Amino acid sequence: QKEVEQNSGPLSVPEGAIASLNCTYSDRGSQSFFWYRQYSGKSPELIMSIYSNGDKEDGRFTAQLNKASQYVSLLIRDSQPSDSATYLCAVNRPGGSYIPTFGRGTSLIVHP
Amino acid sequence: GAVVSQHPSWVICKSGTSVKIECRSLDFQATTMFWYRQFPKQSLMLMATSNEGSKATYEQGVEKDKFLINHASLTLSTLTVTSAHPEDSSFYICSARVVSGSSYNEQFFGPGTRLTVL
Repeated sequence: QKEVEQNSGPLSVPEGAIASLNCTYSDRGSQSFFWYRQYSGKSPELIMSIYSNGDKEDGRFTAQLNKASQYVSLLIRDSQPSDSATYLCAVNRPGGSYIPTFGRGTSLIVHP
Repeated sequence: GAVVSQHPSWVICKSGTSVKIECRSLDFQATTMFWYRQFPKQSLMLMATSNEGSKATYEQGVEKDKFLINHASLTLSTLTVTSAHPEDSSFYICSARVVSGSSYNEQFFGPGTRLTVL
């Protein structure tokens, strides 16, 4: 079983809709979770970090964490064509090393 | 804040030569930097963790003698690809860990260096 799993997609949503991206992880001891956005040919850009169970909102983005079920999700409200990118889920290895393990990413396409 | 730069942004070299890539944290001090490589349509692969003033910690399967990492100051880490071969062609990305307040372990990435070995 992979440590961090994401559906590779592509996930296609119409402009203005809510895009829902999901990620599961295998290590129950993980404490820090991140979502990055990566445009083609560019490096990742941090969107959200979340450390506690529940929801965390920042503008159009909401991260959701459920440690009991070992999943973390990202909701993008009012999706725009400029949101089209690959979204990477990252989970820090437990034990205080602060070293992340990345999922393979989900490709999101927002069509006009 | 939390800006990371990399130089060069792209490089083309002949097989057998060595290439040095610099990673700088511009507005903060980074005790820890990370080096990744990414092949087309694949996820990031962590190569090594670089700590200022000490030897880098390499991930399993990464040749430390081929990928030399130096982290001589709190704002600069370098990756040298020695005796590069075509299979080393990839997108190399560094990141720096921010330690401040609630963002105690977020990473910020440099823009990446695209290496092509002929």
